[in-house]
Amino acid sequence: EDQVTQSPEALRLQEGESSSLNCSYTVSGLRGLFWYRQDPGKGPEFLFTLYSAGEEKEKERLKATLTKKESFLHITAPKPEDSATYLCAVQGNAGGTSYGKLTFGQGTILTVHP
Amino acid sequence: EAGVAQSPRYKIIEKRQSVAFWCNPISGHATLYWYQQILGQGPKLLIQFQNNGVVDDSQLPKDRFSAERLKGVDSTLKIQPAKLEDSAVYLCASSLVGTGHTQYFGPGTRLLVL
Repeated sequence: EDQVTQSPEALRLQEGESSSLNCSYTVSGLRGLFWYRQDPGKGPEFLFTLYSAGEEKEKERLKATLTKKESFLHITAPKPEDSATYLCAVQGNAGGTSYGKLTFGQGTILTVHP
Repeated sequence: EAGVAQSPRYKIIEKRQSVAFWCNPISGHATLYWYQQILGQGPKLLIQFQNNGVVDDSQLPKDRFSAERLKGVDSTLKIQPAKLEDSAVYLCASSLVGTGHTQYFGPGTRLLVL
């Protein structure tokens, strides 16, 4: 069974204080690792997809990296508007079918203070 | 491009009552998903459709939950009878067919069972 664990559960930063969020996973045949952002009262908003170890993607102040066991979401010089819950999810081989579901972690609640 | 639409946005019901949620996916997305997100947790897949057919309903409590996707577009998720533990956000997502494709989420329906 696919499993995803995110740490820390909550992270409080000062504006401009860079940090990283961790996503540890076990999956049978990784098809994709996904990062989403979720604001209160809204659905998850897609950020990145990573497909293989060593891959990196960037968007504004966010950079996602992937190894065979973990993914990191690096936040550089965060601003208050980056405050949200960040969700990591994996899509596996689903026993050889082509219908792999997303298995989510519990999320990291990020708060950035001005 | 229009996103995933869901209604209603909020619903409050008494236990043992029934409730239904509606989802309209992104145009051209043949795969549709219903997730349940309990407060403080990541989303959990309930059921996955490809066109009209169910491809994964292994985590759907079939004694009380049902879902259908008529004509391969809109979908309805029903709970009958509702229990207190069904209080959660019900998220609908859609994607192109196949693994590795991004799932795009709607705003969710927040259900409170009293």
